[in-house]
Amino acid sequence: NAGVTQTPKFRVLKTGQSMTLLCAQDMNHEYMYWYRQDPGMGLRLIHYSVGEGTTAKGEVPDGYNVSRLKKQNFLLGLESAAPSQTSVYFCASSPDWWVQYFGAGTRLSVL
Amino acid sequence: AQSVAQPEDQVNVAEGNPLTVKCTYSVSGNPYLFWYVQYPNRGLQFLLKYITGDNLVKGSYGFEAEFNKSQTSFHLKKPSALVSDSALYFCAVRGQNSGYSTLTFGKGTMLLVSP
Repeated sequence: NAGVTQTPKFRVLKTGQSMTLLCAQDMNHEYMYWYRQDPGMGLRLIHYSVGEGTTAKGEVPDGYNVSRLKKQNFLLGLESAAPSQTSVYFCASSPDWWVQYFGAGTRLSVL
Repeated sequence: AQSVAQPEDQVNVAEGNPLTVKCTYSVSGNPYLFWYVQYPNRGLQFLLKYITGDNLVKGSYGFEAEFNKSQTSFHLKKPSALVSDSALYFCAVRGQNSGYSTLTFGKGTMLLVSP
């Protein structure tokens, strides 16, 4: 069982470049989330989705966009990367809001 | 707004001793409370949750947590720590009256269990 799969696992970008992080889940979950994890900051919610075709802003949405065209996929986009977006990004999914299942994370460095 | 405080950045305990990782919360109305664990280079894993009922909740790997409404706390406990329990622990909260289905996480507490 794959669970929640994030690609890529590592990425280095230059300031101003764009990229898309892909999250795929095979558990048929309705809810999906994107978080960033920074030292001393814990997990902060970027965007989330409560079903296919829906997205909503979380705590720190600026500089990011998301799409949920298919139920199993949740994409996180950075249109113009900035050094402040250097972080570890986690995707999660849940069948409801009781328990979230996390991917292994994507380490992003923006130079 | 809902929030979680984990007052200790790090907790050190010897193997075989009891451990406590502290968590306090602030939320409108009654809370739903969760503990997650993160091992190095891994995503978070669910440990246990409090929804309603008994104030002592038992979870995975021998962990338990005690809900105290008057102190707005949800401390994580284990009677006898293992070296393999060393990890980063996160407390999370959601208000029962929240308009959307998201959790607020604390900043995390690193647990180090020495042999």
